[in-house]
Amino acid sequence: DTEVTQTPKHLVMGMTNKKSLKCEQHMGHRAMYWYKQKAKKPPELMFVYSYEKLSINESVPSRFSPECPNSSLLNLHLHALQPEDSALYLCASSQGKGTANTGELFFGEGSRLTVL
Amino acid sequence: LAKTTQPISMDSYEGQEVNITCSHNNIATNDYITWYQQFPSQGPRFIIQGYKTKVTNEVASLFIPADRKSSTLSLPRVSLSDTAVYYCLVGDLNNAGNMLTFGGGTRLMVKP
Repeated sequence: DTEVTQTPKHLVMGMTNKKSLKCEQHMGHRAMYWYKQKAKKPPELMFVYSYEKLSINESVPSRFSPECPNSSLLNLHLHALQPEDSALYLCASSQGKGTANTGELFFGEGSRLTVL
Repeated sequence: LAKTTQPISMDSYEGQEVNITCSHNNIATNDYITWYQQFPSQGPRFIIQGYKTKVTNEVASLFIPADRKSSTLSLPRVSLSDTAVYYCLVGDLNNAGNMLTFGGGTRLMVKP
């Protein structure tokens, strides 16, 4: 299984709603990532989890709250978002550190978020 | 972090060979070069990775000169389905955060 699965594929929410994006992988990867991508722009790194610990937060506003319940799951909790947060949210995983690590990122298909 | 520079866009025709060059003048000794392909509304997909000289797989070739300050992704005989954005990333494989920054990418349009 070389897939990263993201749910939901599409999400529409109001600015006062609380919702979550979910990501799952069963490749035994120990690093997981959240990226945000606006139209016609490159993916922007938001968060990195390494061995279930948050290792990088790219100064993301607190209305985005990541969570890594275990090595296979990654969540992104959303609260009080703004319309400009509308984007494609991509989850990725990689092996993590180690001699066999190629650094290759495996991406999910993304969750398309619209904030009204 | 080594910054990368790529052409914003390129056009080609079916059956042609396409070469996309990435400039990374401040590449570090431990850095590898990795290329990804992204179709609209999908996540990027790994194409090829290399450290020096030439790497070839079933999809593409990667040419890296001796000074490693640039690299060229070569796609042989492109088809319409190769229309996508191609990203070059540079970083240390074992340094979390180092191989994770996407540059602007090159938008390749393959025409019939």
